[in-house]
Amino acid sequence: RKEVEQDPGPFNVPEGATVAFNCTYSNSASQSFFWYRQDCRKEPKLLMSVYSSGNEDGRFTAQLNRASQYISLLIRDSKLSDSATYLCVVTKLTGGGNKLTFGTGTQLKVEL
Amino acid sequence: NAGVTQTPKFRVLKTGQSMTLLCAQDMNHEYMYWYRQDPGMGLRLIHYSVGEGTTAKGEVPDGYNVSRLKKQNFLLGLESAAPSQTSVYFCASRQGAKEAFFGQGTRLTVV
Repeated sequence: RKEVEQDPGPFNVPEGATVAFNCTYSNSASQSFFWYRQDCRKEPKLLMSVYSSGNEDGRFTAQLNRASQYISLLIRDSKLSDSATYLCVVTKLTGGGNKLTFGTGTQLKVEL
Repeated sequence: NAGVTQTPKFRVLKTGQSMTLLCAQDMNHEYMYWYRQDPGMGLRLIHYSVGEGTTAKGEVPDGYNVSRLKKQNFLLGLESAAPSQTSVYFCASRQGAKEAFFGQGTRLTVV
């Protein structure tokens, strides 16, 4: 089983739609959680951190369920500019330091 | 702020050649990472460092070596390049449990 799993998509949605992505992780000792956005041929950039209580940033809402070991990202009122790949990132403290593990990403295409 | 800078941006190598990719960060971060990204595979960790003078193997370390002689720099070396090392390489740095910052990537083609 992969440490971090995401549905690769693509998710094709019309502008204005609400779309949700899920991500599951296998290690219950995981510490920190993030959603990154990656545009084609560009580096990943932080979209938002994910907190246990859930958090919102404008049209984006992230939630964490530690008991079920999954995190989610909800995008409301999708814009054309939201088209990108969304990466789920999980960190854990190991003997060798603090490791980041990425999911393979979920591709979103917002269409007119 | 420069953040994380990778050089070079692009490179074409012949099989068997060697090269070094440089990653430099100006944020005084302790942790630095090298990833490769291939279609359908996501970002895979090659090597990482938890501080100056320390390095550790990641998920796919074979064929690569690294060094972190200075806190701000993390070098990735390919001693004898192979076509299987054709990829996009990303460097990242972070402090503690905070978010990671990435360089713009190096597109490497081995022919």
